[in-house]
Amino acid sequence: AQSVTQLGSHVSVSEGALVLLRCNYSSSVPPYLFWYVQYPNQGLQLLLKYTSAATLVKGINGFEAEFKKSETSFHLTKPSAHMSDAAEYFCAVSHSSNTGKLIFGQGTTLQVKP
Amino acid sequence: EPEVTQTPSHQVTQMGQEVILRCVPISNHLYFYWYRQILGQKVEFLVSFYNNEISEKSEIFDDQFSVERPDGSNFTLKIRSTKLEDSAMYFCATRSQTGGQAFFGQGTRLTVV
Repeated sequence: AQSVTQLGSHVSVSEGALVLLRCNYSSSVPPYLFWYVQYPNQGLQLLLKYTSAATLVKGINGFEAEFKKSETSFHLTKPSAHMSDAAEYFCAVSHSSNTGKLIFGQGTTLQVKP
Repeated sequence: EPEVTQTPSHQVTQMGQEVILRCVPISNHLYFYWYRQILGQKVEFLVSFYNNEISEKSEIFDDQFSVERPDGSNFTLKIRSTKLEDSAMYFCATRSQTGGQAFFGQGTRLTVV
């Protein structure tokens, strides 16, 4: 069985500050991990994915995430927050990179203050 | 950029009524999925659909739910007799046969009153 836990339903940072959104997973098989972002009134957009290649994954909009097997984590970071980063972020896990069936975390709302 | 389109964006229905949520997939995509998110809860997988049949479904997807591609383009989710607890955001996702990521629509917010 697989599951995802996102620590913190709301995260608030100042513009220009580091963004850190936490995600821990549980999986009985090697996991494939994803971060999605949802802007208001839009669909879920893929930010980045881990598919057992490099443990540090770079995505769109300056985001990156590091897969740490020992910590069962896949935290999302961005060095400097922009106002446009304000959105809801979802971490997800699957048993394959070639599937649309994902197990999602509960989401983290990122607020960026001027 | 191609996108998945869902209609309507918001639907209000009375308990016990049937609703049909519609999804127009990206044109060369052959794998289809429905997810839902009850307010304040996780996005949950409902069902996957390929080659005109359900390939996998969750325990949420009971006999009240059905999916089909009635005209070979739209992909629909039908809830036969809505309950209050069906109120949620419903997301459609589609994926090409060659694999890769799933693309999500913007969602339909269903409110059952």
